[in-house]
Amino acid sequence: DSGVTQTPKHLITATGQRVTLRCSPRSGDLSVYWYQQSLDQGLQFLIQYYNGEERAKGNILERFSAQQFPDLHSELNLSSLELGDSALYFCASSKNSGTGYKGYTFGSGTRLTVV
Amino acid sequence: AQSVTQPDIHITVSEGASLELRCNYSYGATPYLFWYVQSPGQGLQLLLKYFSGDTLVQGIKGFEAEFKRSQSSFNLRKPSVHWSDAAEYFCAVEAGGGNKLTFGTGTQLKVEL
Repeated sequence: DSGVTQTPKHLITATGQRVTLRCSPRSGDLSVYWYQQSLDQGLQFLIQYYNGEERAKGNILERFSAQQFPDLHSELNLSSLELGDSALYFCASSKNSGTGYKGYTFGSGTRLTVV
Repeated sequence: AQSVTQPDIHITVSEGASLELRCNYSYGATPYLFWYVQSPGQGLQLLLKYFSGDTLVQGIKGFEAEFKRSQSSFNLRKPSVHWSDAAEYFCAVEAGGGNKLTFGTGTQLKVEL
């Protein structure tokens, strides 16, 4: 157990629907990162939050959004889902952001299947 | 922008043999470098990391990696592979602040008994 909790582990939904993926960071970690892992794109950085504020943005589609709540858990919202959104979505956490960075801890991921 | 190349998509080794997985990066300065391992259906586990200092770094599960600035490489090694090492291995680089990691495409390791 890495200490980063992602729910649900598996999600099957239809095209056009909206889903929410949840991540609880490791105790004491202030940064949360979201990554997408797909067969054609590999591991792609989506977005980072640090202590409730967006810190960095990567290849995140406009149909996707995220937030980090005061208790530091984060949610990734995916809307108007397409078949190509089927992927493994990882959350990771770290204590700091910027200098002082010591490495990520990844959760076990949410496997999203869009049918 | 930084990039990471893992030239070997698949590698097969016999149990007990030595292993070297290649990783090359592209970045103007010295980046932070990482190796992660992913077992089927699992998340990514950090094997080792390089920030500065000694260019030979030791990690978990008996793995080590050597940073070679002149070759822009950060190859992962293990002297004797165990069947349980079969997994996918990812090299990653963090550069430019913000802690965003750029991953290579991964190397799938198969271990023959």
